[in-house]
Amino acid sequence: AQSVTQLGSHVSVSEGALVLLRCNYSSSVPPYLFWYVQYPNQGLQLLLKYTSAATLVKGINGFEAEFKKSETSFHLTKPSAHMSDAAEYFCAVSKWGAQKLVFGQGTRLTINP
Amino acid sequence: DVKVTQSSRYLVKRTGEKVFLECVQDMDHENMFWYRQDPGLGLRLIYFSYDVKMKEKGDIPEGYSVSREKKERFSLILESASTNQTSMYLCASRQSDRGSSSYNSPLHFGNGTRLTVT
Repeated sequence: AQSVTQLGSHVSVSEGALVLLRCNYSSSVPPYLFWYVQYPNQGLQLLLKYTSAATLVKGINGFEAEFKKSETSFHLTKPSAHMSDAAEYFCAVSKWGAQKLVFGQGTRLTINP
Repeated sequence: DVKVTQSSRYLVKRTGEKVFLECVQDMDHENMFWYRQDPGLGLRLIYFSYDVKMKEKGDIPEGYSVSREKKERFSLILESASTNQTSMYLCASRQSDRGSSSYNSPLHFGNGTRLTVT
């Protein structure tokens, strides 16, 4: 069975600082991995996805994530945080041939001025 | 742009009531999903549908049922609402990956319905 663990339910960084949101997955087969973002009072929207092409994936709004099979990780980064990045971020995993997407618990990102 | 519309933003219902949550998508997607979102638990799949009149249970189907009579509409039904069903409910749709079983096309979400059962 697949599962996802997001380390840290709440992360706080200063504006302009590096953003690092951690995600580890477990999957018995090569996974598809996703990061979604949820802004206040909205549904989720896709930030980026890994589908076994390049291990470094670039997404919207300057975010990127690196798939590391040896560490079973798919951490999300952004070099310089902006106030508009304040939101909740969800890592998710699915496997080839499966409709179901399994979500992590979410990490709330706060940006300090 | 894909639009997924959930009919109510906020709902307050009493214990034992039958509750209908409606979701409509405008992009002819085959696949539709209902999740509930609770703090510290992330999103959990209740039911999904891959075609009209077709449905499959997700991870937490107990206490819920669904209906998909038309391709664009997917309804979540709480037969007898209970206080532990107070939550945020999110509907999503996804295009089928034609000619493939990869299922890696993104989910498109509605803005959610916050249901309170008193």
